[in-house]
Amino acid sequence: DQQVKQNSPSLSVQEGRISILNCDYTNSMFDYFLWYKKYPAEGPTFLISISSIKDKNEDGRFTVFLNKSAKHLSLHIVPSQPGDSAVYFCAAGNDMRFGAGTRLTVKP
Amino acid sequence: NAGVTQTPKFRILKIGQSMTLQCAQDMNHNYMYWYRQDPGMGLKLIYYSVGAGITDKGEVPNGYNVSRSTTEDFPLRLELAAPSQTSVYFCASSTSTGESYEQYFGPGTRLTVT
Repeated sequence: DQQVKQNSPSLSVQEGRISILNCDYTNSMFDYFLWYKKYPAEGPTFLISISSIKDKNEDGRFTVFLNKSAKHLSLHIVPSQPGDSAVYFCAAGNDMRFGAGTRLTVKP
Repeated sequence: NAGVTQTPKFRILKIGQSMTLQCAQDMNHNYMYWYRQDPGMGLKLIYYSVGAGITDKGEVPNGYNVSRSTTEDFPLRLELAAPSQTSVYFCASSTSTGESYEQYFGPGTRLTVT
């Protein structure tokens, strides 16, 4: 039972453009959502979060949008930089259910 | 402040052997977690703990055991290792207060069972 889904295994964008990573969830009781970034051979690191009472949270180049009716959230990175190339995971719920991740490649 | 540390970094086990993966954190976090990540997959929760002496099962607990005798340490025990337990194991911790569930992860242990 996969409660958090990231349907795009990979995404490639040009440096300076917008990257949009998507995540869908099935449990309407989830009250908190997080995005993590992971480089090879390292543990995930926290990027940005949003609670279910909000529909947007912004931190510098990173913005997370939450659409509760669609059970969908997205991470926008503007402008994208080559250093953003990594695997991005969304996670949700008190016991942190993770999606399968999206590998973002930002080309110079 | 070392954050979350895990040992060993790599290990090869033979089928049927046992081992303990060590995890320690120095942030005084109440919550600690063990995840496994299989190739091309997300992290799956094995066990978690909300404080010393309290542990609970996650999504995939079979074949594993944990204990939490101190706030700092949360070892994961594999009994009778099987090839299906070949994976990368991550330990994480988080604070239980406030609205943030942000987890801090260790660097991982890559385990191969042959």
